[in-house]
Amino acid sequence: AQSVAQPEDQVNVAEGNPLTVKCTYSVSGNPYLFWYVQYPNRGLQFLLKYITGDNLVKGSYGFEAEFNKSQTSFHLKKPSALVSDSALYFCAARDSNYQLIWGAGTKLIIKP
Amino acid sequence: DVKVTQSSRYLVKRTGEKVFLECVQDMDHENMFWYRQDPGLGLRLIYFSYDVKMKEKGDIPEGYSVSREKKERFSLILESASTNQTSMYLCASIYTLGVAEAFFGQGTRLTVV
Repeated sequence: AQSVAQPEDQVNVAEGNPLTVKCTYSVSGNPYLFWYVQYPNRGLQFLLKYITGDNLVKGSYGFEAEFNKSQTSFHLKKPSALVSDSALYFCAARDSNYQLIWGAGTKLIIKP
Repeated sequence: DVKVTQSSRYLVKRTGEKVFLECVQDMDHENMFWYRQDPGLGLRLIYFSYDVKMKEKGDIPEGYSVSREKKERFSLILESASTNQTSMYLCASIYTLGVAEAFFGQGTRLTVV
């Protein structure tokens, strides 16, 4: 079955430190991968996507993600975390029916 | 900017009521979706529509129906609300399936009592 896994329910990072939110996927065909962020009581906002090309994808708010085909991973990263980055992050992948499969979400908490 | 607007942020309904959740997008997108978001479960697809009057069941359609009479509007209907339908409901639209990013409404938090 096609799936997306976010192995961490919550990630805690001190402000100014680098952050990583993990995502692994299992889909048929070429992977099309996405990251979204959800701030409290809001809808989801698109951060970045990997379709093809460079394995390091840059997105909004200073975030980037690294696509690793051999490890079937698409981890979200940021060199220096801000308190305002605290939110819920979702990884998604396109399945063979062109629908999005969603991870369960990772709560990111940045402490001052 | 694409705007996806859901008619209500918060709703409280009684068990057995018929509930309508409305969603409107202003960018002429063909594809529209209704998701349900529950803690620890991510987003689960209820229904989607790729054209006016067209609808397809998602992963959890039971207890729900949809209507798309106009391109910009996609409505989710709970025929007879039950307490297990208490959840956050998210509407989204996408220009091209599987490639373009989805644009989401702000969500409707529905409580069924």
